[in-house]
Amino acid sequence: ETGVTQTPRHLVMGMTNKKSLKCEQHLGHNAMYWYKQSAKKPLELMFVYNFKEQTENNSVPSRFSPECPNSSHLFLHLHTLQPEDSALYLCASSQGLAGNTGELFFGEGSRLTVL
Amino acid sequence: LAKTTQPISMDSYEGQEVNITCSHNNIATNDYITWYQQFPSQGPRFIIQGYKTKVTNEVASLFIPADRKSSTLSLPRVSLSDTAVYYCLVARGSGGYNKLIFGAGTRLAVHP
Repeated sequence: ETGVTQTPRHLVMGMTNKKSLKCEQHLGHNAMYWYKQSAKKPLELMFVYNFKEQTENNSVPSRFSPECPNSSHLFLHLHTLQPEDSALYLCASSQGLAGNTGELFFGEGSRLTVL
Repeated sequence: LAKTTQPISMDSYEGQEVNITCSHNNIATNDYITWYQQFPSQGPRFIIQGYKTKVTNEVASLFIPADRKSSTLSLPRVSLSDTAVYYCLVARGSGGYNKLIFGAGTRLAVHP
């Protein structure tokens, strides 16, 4: 248990569906992240939020839409996805954005399959 | 941010010490070195972080030479449960914006 909870753990959706991934952290952190991990590939940073403000969009297609209503919650809204978007989506949080403040705490991930 | 290079895979046996070396030739003065462990279908887990010399915790040791262009993660007496992917990251310290970029990592297989 890392203090970061992701739901759902597994999601199957068609290309025309709209779905959302949810992340909640109970650690009092102020920064939250979305990463994508495709099979046999390194983790790819997608979005970074600090105190609810987006500070990084790593050239992510607009069919992925993040939302951070407060420092404890992060959503990833999915719309008109492609089969190649099938991956493990990982949420993480940290106390600050600086690398010396310690670690990222990751959730268990949401395994997304796009048919 | 400094690019990191580490071996793609390593094999070991239970009870042995494993050393995984990462090179980061372009590391900057403000950068910290952090290592993560990832099991299949789980998020990465922080192992250890250091700036220079040696850092030790209950899980591992991290050795960083004076020039800081490389670092070595040392896992004492590995067990089968240490089979995982290990990532070396360089992260900007205080006063700078941090983008934690994960490379391919080192896939460690521990055999009986």
